[in-house]
Amino acid sequence: KAGVTQTPRYLIKTRGQQVTLSCSPISGHRSVSWYQQTPGQGLQFLFEYFSETQRNKGNFPGRFSGRQFSNSRSEMNVSTLELGDSALYLCASSLWGPQGGYEQYFGPGTRLTVT
Amino acid sequence: GQQVMQIPQYQHVQEGEDFTTYCNSSTTLSNIQWYKQRPGGHPVFLIQLVKSGEVKKQKRLTFQFGEAKKNSSLHITATQTTDVGTYFCAGLNAKNSGGSNYKLTFGKGTLLTVNP
Repeated sequence: KAGVTQTPRYLIKTRGQQVTLSCSPISGHRSVSWYQQTPGQGLQFLFEYFSETQRNKGNFPGRFSGRQFSNSRSEMNVSTLELGDSALYLCASSLWGPQGGYEQYFGPGTRLTVT
Repeated sequence: GQQVMQIPQYQHVQEGEDFTTYCNSSTTLSNIQWYKQRPGGHPVFLIQLVKSGEVKKQKRLTFQFGEAKKNSSLHITATQTTDVGTYFCAGLNAKNSGGSNYKLTFGKGTLLTVNP
């Protein structure tokens, strides 16, 4: 099976702009989670989508939003970018079925730099 | 809310020495997972522990889940330079009494460096 893919891999934006990141989960995985990773804060959970519904949400401002499509692909959007949004954004998918399958399979991430 | 604390934050060892990282949850967990992230890479799933007191081994790595299902440890015997990276634990908790919605909470990780 193909792994989790994320596009783009690298992105440079300026303050005030908005950005959309894309994630394609492993085939058959219904849960997609997004994380922000910075050197000082580690892995911070943004939100999780399951069957097109946001099921869990972290403590990020409303500038961070996401959605999931019927084919389980997911996008996250950050509006009005700030310098502090510079980070590696990781997407992870999991099977999350009745029999378990809660382990996360991470994509390579999108490195966002805000100048 | 649920918190997962991981210690130490950093650990530097000489090649051949042992290494242990500890994970503690503020609440009882349904299961605990461990991940490894190599420098420049992304987290990779290592293992999942489900039962109270469970111990699992993967070659030189030993994973334990506490009896109360609130703590866990990862022990590496005779570290090698290939063990370098950040090790994360992640606790899975049911959000509702029916157990149909779970939340996974990651610890901040332990960065392991190995001096050859």
